[in-house]
Amino acid sequence: NAGVTQTPKFRILKIGQSMTLQCAQDMNHNYMYWYRQDPGMGLKLIYYSVGAGITDKGEVPNGYNVSRSTTEDFPLRLELAAPSQTSVYFCASSPTGMNTEAFFGQGTRLTVV
Amino acid sequence: DAKTTQPNSMESNEEEPVHLPCNHSTISGTDYIHWYRQLPSQGPEYVIHGLTSNVNNRMASLAIAEDRKSSTLILHRATLRDAAVYYCILSIRDDKIIFGKGTRLHILP
Repeated sequence: NAGVTQTPKFRILKIGQSMTLQCAQDMNHNYMYWYRQDPGMGLKLIYYSVGAGITDKGEVPNGYNVSRSTTEDFPLRLELAAPSQTSVYFCASSPTGMNTEAFFGQGTRLTVV
Repeated sequence: DAKTTQPNSMESNEEEPVHLPCNHSTISGTDYIHWYRQLPSQGPEYVIHGLTSNVNNRMASLAIAEDRKSSTLILHRATLRDAAVYYCILSIRDDKIIFGKGTRLHILP
């Protein structure tokens, strides 16, 4: 009964370091999303994917990259970490996008120092 | 993109009904209205969604105005566990789910 699994739960990065936030879902959902949430704010869409091999930019894509080689996994890559990327990152999936329920992971709390 | 407007915060007494309003005057004919909520330190969770007709599920009811320019999420009997930020979202034709600022709901014991 895993749903959407994000790893790691917490991470501290130094400025300029790189890392990959992992997201996996076991519900065979086609649609997957990455969001960031700054303290006291709402969620901002970073990237999304409507199926394996297809990705598109959201509201705030700069500084991030994604890939979708399988239905199950949707990793988010930070190449050169900056303090402005300190945030909580949420991954989500849904069967078909618009008209269905989206399921969210528990989040990855990232601090860049 | 069609936008939603919600009050920043609301209060309600425990065990009483709660009506959370949302305005979406620029909604298009194919936009679904979704509600999600986010409990403290958790990811958002789905509450309900609808297109034109009112909808009920085990968590809540969604009342949609006839002109679809507004909707109301109804929690029939609020508990302390319902304290959360509630987001009203319009699904967009290109499949993006865009969140607004939401309404922070406080439940008074």
